[in-house]
Amino acid sequence: GQNIDQPTEMTATEGAIVQINCTYQTSGFNGLFWYQQHAGEAPTFLSYNVLDGLEEKGRFSSFLSRSKGYSYILLKELQMKDSASYLCAVMDSNYQLIWGAGTKLIIKP
Amino acid sequence: DTAVSQTPKYLVTQMGNDKSIKCEQNLGHDTMYWYKQDSKKFLKIMFSYNNKELIINETVPNRFSPKSPDKAHLNLHINSLELGDSAVYFCASSPPGVTDTQYFGPGTRLTVL
Repeated sequence: GQNIDQPTEMTATEGAIVQINCTYQTSGFNGLFWYQQHAGEAPTFLSYNVLDGLEEKGRFSSFLSRSKGYSYILLKELQMKDSASYLCAVMDSNYQLIWGAGTKLIIKP
Repeated sequence: DTAVSQTPKYLVTQMGNDKSIKCEQNLGHDTMYWYKQDSKKFLKIMFSYNNKELIINETVPNRFSPKSPDKAHLNLHINSLELGDSAVYFCASSPPGVTDTQYFGPGTRLTVL
């Protein structure tokens, strides 16, 4: 079966750094997406990785290791507005997105 | 200007009723999707349409039927609503190129009483 695993919830302090991990087992791989979803709102795109390595985009970075079936996003200089759920999704061999349940990130002052 | 819009935002109805949710995108995208997000926050794809052709249809009950009058619209019709249909339904669209980003609508929170 296909499976995406993420921690259910994480807590971090404003101004700090947090890493949210995602491991996956899918039938084929055509890229991994990270989306941010604030409570009661739609998911919004953060990053897309299809090659191994780290991609940096401002305060957010995303890492992928295809051999390990592993990805993470790194959020630096945390702000209160970063409190949200972070969804990991993998596109399988049928170009279908398989979604994780999301990691709820709580930022404390 | 809203890129992907859905109506209504909230829908409360009785079991057994038939309801529709509308979705429109003004991005000129070729592919549109319907997702269901349940109370556990899992996003599950229900349908996708590419140029008015259904290309993915997950194991969704046939009480659910997508209707696409044109490339910019993908409506979701639900017949004989059940309690388990209560969830948030998201419409999304994506440009050509299967690995491109999906843009989500604001969601429709459906509550079946």
